[in-house]
Order: sequence, then C-alpha cells, then structure tokens
Amino acid sequence: DAGVTQSPTHLIKTRGQQVTLRCSPKSGHDTVSWYQQALGQGPQFIFQYYEEEERQRGNFPDRFSGHQFPNYSSELNVNALLLGDSALYLCASSLDGLLPPQHFGDGTRLSIL
Amino acid sequence: LAKTTQPISMDSYEGQEVNITCSHNNIATNDYITWYQQFPSQGPRFIIQGYKTKVTNEVASLFIPADRKSSTLSLPRVSLSDTAVYYCLVGATDSWGKLQFGAGTQVVVTP
Repeated sequence: DAGVTQSPTHLIKTRGQQVTLRCSPKSGHDTVSWYQQALGQGPQFIFQYYEEEERQRGNFPDRFSGHQFPNYSSELNVNALLLGDSALYLCASSLDGLLPPQHFGDGTRLSIL
Repeated sequence: LAKTTQPISMDSYEGQEVNITCSHNNIATNDYITWYQQFPSQGPRFIIQGYKTKVTNEVASLFIPADRKSSTLSLPRVSLSDTAVYYCLVGATDSWGKLQFGAGTQVVVTP
C-alpha cells in the first residue's frame, strides 16, 4: 500500500516563475495538508483541503494556492516565486482531517535562483 | 494558541533511554499532544499522541502530568537509527492548521 507520494522530488526555478507541486494521498485518506519547511526549521502549515475545498489556511500570501481533485490528490501552486520560497514542501494526508496528520510524503525540494 | 518549548538538542548512547520534555503552559482543554520524528530529507513521521496520563505504543511512551502543562516523550533503548529531530505539537481536532512545528529537538545517538 503506497503511502503519500509527491512529485517532483526536486525542482529549480527562477524568481518570478510559477510552480506546481503534486501530491497523492495514502489510500483511503480524503484530506490533504501542505507544509513549507525552510532549512533548519520545522514545517509551517500552508493549507488543508477536504472534499475539494480549502478548509483551513495558515499565514501564507495568496501567491500560494491549491486544488484538490475528486480522487483526493492535490496540487500546490506558487506564483511569482521569491528567493524566500526555497524550501522543502511537504504533503500530509489523513482521514477527515480530524486527527493530526499521520502520513507525510518525503516532499519536493524547491530551489529558487 | 499553545506554544511549545523543547530543548534544542540531546545526546545519548546506544541502548540508553532518551526522555524529551516539552513545555506547553497554555494548553487548552481540547488540545492533544502529538510527537513526530523527522530524518533529513524526509517528511515527519507520526510517533505518538496523547491527552492525559500515559500512552504507550511499540516505539515510544508519552507521559502527561495531571496539569498537562508539559509532556515527556520516552524512547527506550535507543539505537543509532533514532538520530533525528523530534517535534512536539499541541492542537485540537478543529485547529490543525494552527499547529506550529517549532525547531524541534535534535537527538544524536552515538555508539
């Protein structure tokens, strides 16, 4: 049984570009949460999707947007990339989102030049 | 929001028990305490969750005193593979978005 899978594993972009990251939740999970983890820091919550709707959002600008598909997979989009967006982006899945996320993917390492 | 405070780092030898204490003085009535483990370039891995008293699973124990203002994660007989960053989080079922991962505790296990 595959856990949470994310793609791509690494990505290099330049300032001002746009990026899309993808996440497939663990089988049976319907809730996806996204986190940003800068080097040496803990993950910071971006937003959570449930039933194709954004249910909760952290303190991130509107440049960060997302989407959840009927099969529960999800995308994270970041527009107008800044150098400070360089980080490991993590996806976590859970059932209903009523418990803390128990399954994280290994993330996408995004580097902004 | 319940802020957590953990030691920045801890060192241990193989076979010893490691206890990491997390302070959360303003924990709310509905908050649960959750611990994660993270290895470099990997996502966090859920270890254990508790509300009060003691919780034990196959990898760790979580001790929570009656006032719930702190909690202690206990890792019995650590091995080299337990070298990782450990995070303590406090939150309720309707506020996972408000959870804050701090900098965590870097545990280093040596032979």
